[in-house]
Amino acid sequence: ETGVTQSPTHLIKTRGQQVTLRCSSQSGHNTVSWYQQALGQGPQFIFQYYREEENGRGNFPPRFSGLQFPNYSSELNVNALELDDSALYLCASSLGQGISAFFGQGTRLTVV
Amino acid sequence: GIQVEQSPPDLILQEGANSTLRCNFSDSVNNLQWFHQNPWGQLINLFYIPSGTKQNGRLSATTVATERYSLLYISSSQTTDSGVYFCAVEAGSSYKLIFGSGTRLLVRP
Repeated sequence: ETGVTQSPTHLIKTRGQQVTLRCSSQSGHNTVSWYQQALGQGPQFIFQYYREEENGRGNFPPRFSGLQFPNYSSELNVNALELDDSALYLCASSLGQGISAFFGQGTRLTVV
Repeated sequence: GIQVEQSPPDLILQEGANSTLRCNFSDSVNNLQWFHQNPWGQLINLFYIPSGTKQNGRLSATTVATERYSLLYISSSQTTDSGVYFCAVEAGSSYKLIFGSGTRLLVRP
């Protein structure tokens, strides 16, 4: 039991739509990161939030955006969905840099 | 940026066999983790091991930071060990985990 929970677990959306994915971090963890994992590949870093501020961003377009709330839970929003956005989206929480990160079970997004 | 390479890409074992998975990285790191991804997609933490050796039951890991590699040992493998094993590193002032491409393990009964 990692304590990191994500919702929903599965989602099907139509191209052009918008989606919001949610993550509750492990108790006491102030840092949340989001990753995208395409089929057959390793996870790719999207962005990280630390104490409600974006702390870094990977090579993803601006239609990928996020929020972190005062309780350190987080949302990932994706606008104008494209077919290539179909992937497993993983949320990880930690106490900061250089410290072990724990992952949720992921949200599997399918864009049709 | 830092490169992470894992080998072998695929591995098939008979139940009870031992195996060694390798992770090479191209620069010094301040975080290295091994994960097991189960068939449902969950990444399970195995080890946080930027240096040294750790053991947890049938699994153990060694990171030789000066030579930029880490090894994951699985002894007496079980069918439940099947899945994908990822090595991930965090380097320098970077705040993100960079994953290797994984080793896909299948343990046959």
